[in-house]
Amino acid sequence: NAGVTQTPKFQVLKTGQSMTLQCAQDMNHNSMYWYRQDPGMGLRLIYYSASEGTTDKGEVPNGYNVSRLNKREFSLRLESAAPSQTSVYFCASSLDRGYTEAFFGQGTRLTVV
Amino acid sequence: DQQVKQNSPSLSVQEGRISILNCDYTNSMFDYFLWYKKYPAEGPTFLISISSIKDKNEDGRFTVFLNKSAKHLSLHIVPSQPGDSAVYFCAASENNAGKSTFGDGTTLTVKP
Repeated sequence: NAGVTQTPKFQVLKTGQSMTLQCAQDMNHNSMYWYRQDPGMGLRLIYYSASEGTTDKGEVPNGYNVSRLNKREFSLRLESAAPSQTSVYFCASSLDRGYTEAFFGQGTRLTVV
Repeated sequence: DQQVKQNSPSLSVQEGRISILNCDYTNSMFDYFLWYKKYPAEGPTFLISISSIKDKNEDGRFTVFLNKSAKHLSLHIVPSQPGDSAVYFCAASENNAGKSTFGDGTTLTVKP
């Protein structure tokens, strides 16, 4: 029972490098999300996709791009990594955009040096 | 301005006693509230939720209370168990949007 799978689990980047965080869910959910969590803080929404084919900015979208590749997959891309993007990134999905809980992946710990 | 606030970064209780975690919000458009639990090196997991048409929701040892006039909700855990030791996040969403705004979390420690 995989749920939400994120890859990689850990990554170290140099400033200016680019990378894509992958996320896939096997629950046939319509909505998917990318959050970041900084030390001592809650989760902040980067981007979300209410349904396949749509994406919208969240609270902290600057420096990121996303792709909803299909219903299962939602990727997050850092075009030119900065130390301020050092964080733990969580992908999540929910059945729909309505009154329902989200299911989270295990997170990607990203360090930008 | 933070729309969801958990003013207590940490809470320590004795096993078997009640744990009360608090959350305040400022956005009156929030109409659905959730609590998530998070263990180290894992993603958050859903615990319990409540919609704005209710003032209480129970699920086993967990009860969430909502006071709309005070813009305040609380999570009660009775009795507390050592396995409940984790970070608890309060989250809120508005207008059927699905996406949630999270508080900073409260670290609960339950001592045997």
